[in-house]
Amino acid sequence: GAVVSQHPSWVICKSGTSVKIECRSLDFQATTMFWYRQFPKQSLMLMATSNEGSKATYEQGVEKDKFLINHASLTLSTLTVTSAHPEDSSFYICSADGTGQETQYFGPGTRLLVL
Amino acid sequence: LAKTTQPISMDSYEGQEVNITCSHNNIATNDYITWYQQFPSQGPRFIIQGYKTKVTNEVASLFIPADRKSSTLSLPRVSLSDTAVYYCLVGVAAGNKLTFGGGTRVLVKP
Repeated sequence: GAVVSQHPSWVICKSGTSVKIECRSLDFQATTMFWYRQFPKQSLMLMATSNEGSKATYEQGVEKDKFLINHASLTLSTLTVTSAHPEDSSFYICSADGTGQETQYFGPGTRLLVL
Repeated sequence: LAKTTQPISMDSYEGQEVNITCSHNNIATNDYITWYQQFPSQGPRFIIQGYKTKVTNEVASLFIPADRKSSTLSLPRVSLSDTAVYYCLVGVAAGNKLTFGGGTRVLVKP
């Protein structure tokens, strides 16, 4: 199957700082990338959908000014958590699909801890 | 996307076959059925996908009856490392948003 990577795999930051998470499709071109958030013992919750070269579409209740998404190329999307607070601590997962892919492929996730 | 319903949890023992049934009564004509596996602190991993009848790969089998309103993921001879959460989704296609249900937490005991 196709490979999606995320960087970093975990990050600890102070409250008020911004954190950028990268999502890359390594062996295919991802026309669409998705960002999810998962709290302990819960399922994945879709945050936003991003298409290369256009603005991301955010799910209801997700603050677009707080979670900045950029999909500048067909292999890279970034999620920036701005002015992070402890309640933003979570597991962030991206997924990608593209031409020729029969399904979405997920990255390994990024654990964010805001102190 | 069609809503799915699956058991919250299942226990099994090493070497046994585990069957997880998912209900998707409102599946659309063009929808495929996709199963993912997720280990703690990891992203979901694609297991298998099918449209009708039976699909088998090196990891699992997927059984889909003619009416496609349900599907059964079959894991043969599970091991401890198969302990994970398994998610059933329908309508997974390029550009489609995915709505994850609660999944089925499978615990394999020695």
